[in-house]
Amino acid sequence: DAGITQSPRYKITETGRQVTLMCHQTWSHSYMFWYRQDLGHGLRLIYYSAAADITDKGEVPDGYVVSRSKTENFPLTLESATRSQTSVYFCASSWTSDGTDTQYFGPGTRLTVL
Amino acid sequence: QKEVEQDPGPLSVPEGAIVSLNCTYSNSAFQYFMWYRQYSRKGPELLMYTYSSGNKEDGRFTAQVDKSSKYISLFIRDSQPSDSATYLCAMKGTGNQFYFGTGTSLTVIP
Repeated sequence: DAGITQSPRYKITETGRQVTLMCHQTWSHSYMFWYRQDLGHGLRLIYYSAAADITDKGEVPDGYVVSRSKTENFPLTLESATRSQTSVYFCASSWTSDGTDTQYFGPGTRLTVL
Repeated sequence: QKEVEQDPGPLSVPEGAIVSLNCTYSNSAFQYFMWYRQYSRKGPELLMYTYSSGNKEDGRFTAQVDKSSKYISLFIRDSQPSDSATYLCAMKGTGNQFYFGTGTSLTVIP
């Protein structure tokens, strides 16, 4: 199916565990983004990628690692999960990074860290 | 101080009302201004974008940007129950980073 998908949709883990959230898009978009959404903070950018093997930090990168070996995939890893990382995580993609191009968002992953 | 401030609401209006949603910002370097709509348990979807100052209209939706006041607005005319959602403003300067507001929850009552 065309579009942007995220997996898993729901995840419960414990503090200290490593967790990887997957993001896959079928449009061959150059740019991909990871956001977290929390009450009172809105959407905050964690990392973004301009192309395969090119990534850069966003507003809140600490505790997260990303990679992009293929254009269509952009996994986000929490190396040692903490309770403060309990959030809803959204992946997005677009052709460009400027505001003239739509950012297409995935359905989100609800992560709970106990 | 947050880069973008948005009143979280909630906002409740009767069907057919005109809705006004607003955001203020502090960074004068912002040039691109966007409004997203987010239904419950879904990802945000782009409604409108505006470059620099001015107005932009798309059907029942009008976006306004006043850079001198660092203030943007989204107006929804003839509001419908299907407009019930959370509306997020977003903005961007010359870099790659988008800054989002916290969102305003809107309910349109039939």
